[in-house]
Amino acid sequence: EIVLTQSPGTLSLSPGERVTLSCRASQSVSSNYLAWYQHKPGQAPRRLMFGASIKATGVPDRFSGSGSGTDFTLTISRLEPEDFAVYYCQQYGSSITFGQGTRLEIK
Amino acid sequence: EVQLVESGGGLVQPGGSLRLSCAASGFTSDKFWMGWVRQAPGKGLEWVANIKQDGSEKYYGDSVRGRFTISRDNAKNSLFLQMNSLGAEDTALYYCARSQYLRFDAFDLWGHGTMVTVSS
Repeated sequence: EIVLTQSPGTLSLSPGERVTLSCRASQSVSSNYLAWYQHKPGQAPRRLMFGASIKATGVPDRFSGSGSGTDFTLTISRLEPEDFAVYYCQQYGSSITFGQGTRLEIK
Repeated sequence: EVQLVESGGGLVQPGGSLRLSCAASGFTSDKFWMGWVRQAPGKGLEWVANIKQDGSEKYYGDSVRGRFTISRDNAKNSLFLQMNSLGAEDTALYYCARSQYLRFDAFDLWGHGTMVTVSS
């Protein structure tokens, strides 16, 4: 099983700041089959990225994904108030596993 | 509107069974792999199971294999999860999710979930 480790666990930032979230895999993710989700309390998770760097429909330009092999990142160039949420990475190259999540909170 | 709506959650005793349902609307679900993902209280997301468009292939996470069964009724645009031998570790919010074209894929559409509580 591929274990995904996200860091940091929690981030406290202010609107307007830039943030980079990390997702590290215990082994190489086949074909960069790595997705990112945004999850807010009481809502359904929202897919942001798939294929490591392909943005889902409707996702704002301030979101970008990168990485390959075992190291992946999600970057938000300028935080908006609605971006404060929990973010999960998911690999689907070998079965499916999720990272434990990074909580992005308002400072 | 394109959406998934789960139902069937509730309180069940340890060792008991429960059947979850998911109704798809706004799209034809038989074109997609479908799956279930759960989230235990205060925890992250955990993949549970996936099923192929025609139901001929099914895949399960290690923690539920042999106890849970995923199925679908394309005529009713519905997805199901039969859960047996439930334990406290199965307490979670269960999400129905639409996958794409691979047996293991990202989930592009999610429901709001149905809560399952296993307790005596």
